[in-house]
Amino acid sequence: DTAVSQTPKYLVTQMGNDKSIKCEQNLGHDTMYWYKQDSKKFLKIMFSYNNKELIINETVPNRFSPKSPDKAHLNLHINSLELGDSAVYFCASSPPISGELFFGEGSRLTVL
Amino acid sequence: GNSVTQMEGPVTLSEEAFLTINCTYTATGYPSLFWYVQYPGEGLQLLLKATKADDKGSNKGFEATYRKETTSFHLEKGSVQVSDSAVYFCALSPQGGSEKLVFGKGTKLTVNP
Repeated sequence: DTAVSQTPKYLVTQMGNDKSIKCEQNLGHDTMYWYKQDSKKFLKIMFSYNNKELIINETVPNRFSPKSPDKAHLNLHINSLELGDSAVYFCASSPPISGELFFGEGSRLTVL
Repeated sequence: GNSVTQMEGPVTLSEEAFLTINCTYTATGYPSLFWYVQYPGEGLQLLLKATKADDKGSNKGFEATYRKETTSFHLEKGSVQVSDSAVYFCALSPQGGSEKLVFGKGTKLTVNP
């Protein structure tokens, strides 16, 4: 039973389109995250939610909009996709204080 | 600000060789330090961690010691295996929790038989 699951795993789309990536965790954690990993493997935090409330919002274009319908789900919607949005997007969750992140397998987005 | 610098890769070793991946950090206060590993096609997973100076984290034969005097947390393994081929990330948490975990750029390790 996958702890943090994301869908879709692969997404190929045209510039200008809108797309969503879904994430669900069954670990009972209160905090969830979206990270972006570029082609050089550099990992950057985008958003963090704690119990459905946004707590970290890094400098990310407002074309990116996270939504947390409940504490087990954190979805990422991207409007007007650009070439530079091509990356692997990772969802993660964490228990309080421990510092351990539990990552999903990633969603590889390719914008043509 | 808080930052992590780790050695540039890629690193290529033969099986049973000794591994060191250097990691140094800059932080205010007393951060917690972590090594995460990303196997091909997978998400990152925690390899080991240390929460205070002189602590040693260890797991799967890997070790790292939190050195406050040199602001370092170097990853070592005495004898690597092909299955250790992965990307390794050093990270710090300024407050000890997961909020704003700061990652290094990752070091790709390839172990050849």
